[in-house]
Parts: sequence; structure tokens; C-alpha cells
Amino acid sequence: DIQMTQSPSSLSASVGDRVTITCRAGQTISMYLNWYQKKAGKAPQLLIYAASSLQSGVPSRFSGSGSGTDFTLTISNLQPEDFATYYCQQTYSTPLTFGGGTKVEIQ
Amino acid sequence: EVQLVESGGGLEQPGGSLRLSCAASGFNFSTFDMNWVRQAPGKGLEWVSFISGSGGTIYYADSVKGRFTISRDEAKNSLYLQMSSLRAEDTAVYYCARSGRVTLFGVLTITYSDYWGQGTLVTVSS
Repeated sequence: DIQMTQSPSSLSASVGDRVTITCRAGQTISMYLNWYQKKAGKAPQLLIYAASSLQSGVPSRFSGSGSGTDFTLTISNLQPEDFATYYCQQTYSTPLTFGGGTKVEIQ
Repeated sequence: EVQLVESGGGLEQPGGSLRLSCAASGFNFSTFDMNWVRQAPGKGLEWVSFISGSGGTIYYADSVKGRFTISRDEAKNSLYLQMSSLRAEDTAVYYCARSGRVTLFGVLTITYSDYWGQGTLVTVSS
């Protein structure tokens, strides 16, 4: 199984901040990496697919980068609606593993 | 508009069975692979199972292999998860998700879950 490790597990930030979340795969996964946003009581929402492609309808302040084993999700100009938990997921091979999540909280 | 609506969750005793359904609309269901993903209370997301659009390819997480069965009915535009030998650790909100795909550089076909249902809660407890 491919282990996905996210860091940090939580962070506090203010509206307008730039936030960076990292995800490391236990083996190379090329660009088979997606990012999701999860709010309590809501379905997960796809933000970024294939490491750096912005899903339709997702604000451009979200961006992704990386390939191989190291990936980054960046939220520029953090907005109130962005306070949520973020997950990376690899789809290189089954089982399709998720990272442990990063909770972005209001400072 | 793409819609996925799960149903069938509820309270079940350990060792019992439940069948989850996911009604799909707004897209050509038979041409899309589908996944089940769950989230236990206070925990992260966990992929459960995958079925290809044709139904010919199926995968399971080790945690449910031999106990859960994924299937689909094209005539009903529905996805199912038959859950048996339920355990307390199966308690979670279960989501169905459509699997989209993109091909990069003509060689990399990358999949992702682009639409999700609202989830259905399964509680396993005596």
C-alpha cells in the first residue's frame, strides 16, 4: 500500500494569509495525486486533480504542485469559507489511499 | 446536473448486514467508474471499493475484502454496497463518488472523484 503523509496535521491562519499544505507519498506516484476539501456534515469537494489541475468551479486561489513523491496545496488569500480539512489522495494504485488530513483553523 | 444520492444506512448489530444504494443522475452512468469512500467519526477519509463502468473490474480495501460486495445496475442508474459481517469499526458515513479521468501527455490517465453524494450514516452497535 502507498502511504500518504500530510503535514501539518493542523494549522491556524488568518483571513488573507497564504497557506501551504504538503503531502508526501511513500513511493513515486508521478502526478496521480488529488486534493479534496472536507467540511463537517458535507461531502468532500475535489479541488485539484493530477497534482496541479484546478477543478472547474474551484477558486483560483487554490493551486497544487509537485510530482513523484512530494506535493503541495497552496491557498493564497485565505477566505472564511476555506476553513476546513484538506486531504490528498493517490490514485496510482489500489488501495487508493488518502493522507491523514490537514485541518485549517481560524487564528 | 450530476447528482448522487445515497440511501440504506442505519443502525445494525455486529455481524449483521446492510445494503447501501447510490442513485445517479445527470450523467451517462454506464460510462463512469465509481467508488465508495467512508469516514468514521472523528477520523479521516478511507477508500472502500471501486467498480469500473462495465462492472468488470472491482477492487476492495483490505479492511472490507470478503465482507463487502460492490455492484451496479445500469438499468437503474444505481451503485450498491452490500455489507455483511459488520463490525463496530465499520461505523462511518459512506459516500459514493463518481470517478472522472484525464489523460496527460498522451500516456498518463489519472483518475479522481469529481462528484460525491451527501453520504449515508452506518452505525454498527449492539
